[in-house]
Amino acid sequence: EDQVTQSPEALRLQEGESSSLNCSYTVSGLRGLFWYRQDPGKGPEFLFTLYSAGEEKEKERLKATLTKKESFLHITAPKPEDSATYLCAVQENNFNKFYFGSGTKLNVKP
Amino acid sequence: KAGVTQTPRYLIKTRGQQVTLSCSPISGHRSVSWYQQTPGQGLQFLFEYFSETQRNKGNFPGRFSGRQFSNSRSEMNVSTLELGDSALYLCASSFRDRGNEQFFGPGTRLTVL
Repeated sequence: EDQVTQSPEALRLQEGESSSLNCSYTVSGLRGLFWYRQDPGKGPEFLFTLYSAGEEKEKERLKATLTKKESFLHITAPKPEDSATYLCAVQENNFNKFYFGSGTKLNVKP
Repeated sequence: KAGVTQTPRYLIKTRGQQVTLSCSPISGHRSVSWYQQTPGQGLQFLFEYFSETQRNKGNFPGRFSGRQFSNSRSEMNVSTLELGDSALYLCASSFRDRGNEQFFGPGTRLTVL
């Protein structure tokens, strides 16, 4: 069973063209939802943690939001340096395991 | 503060061999998790160690094992390597008690020929 599904798989944007990435999850009890950025050949870089529905976090051009079944990563006026794969992960209450989505590969063209 | 370090960064092995990968967590972090990342399967959880005890384990065969030392450094071992074990192996550390954010190392790229 897929606990975490990310969409779209790939996204191409023009510089300055805002958009959103989606992460939907199906774990029974959510301990936390995490967003990471991964550049090619590197380990994921931590961006945000969200714990409860309605919570929002912001960092520069990125804003993460959480509902009971999904999270969105909004990218406002992206720049080419925002190009990367964005990963979403959820941690269950019961077993503390992390489940990662397959990621959204973002390409921002100048 | 130094980040998570992993050694070696690159490794080439042949089928049937075994390999040991090393991870040093961020100073003060007591939890270390290991992940396998492949283009087809994405990031898959291998196991987590906290205070030298394995706390969680993913769905990998017994050829994959690990341990954690008293200084929180961790090693991962894969025996009888198969071609399908070629992947980026990532280590992540967290403080565990103070939030659950995991901080990843750069990974070890393992190629099995």
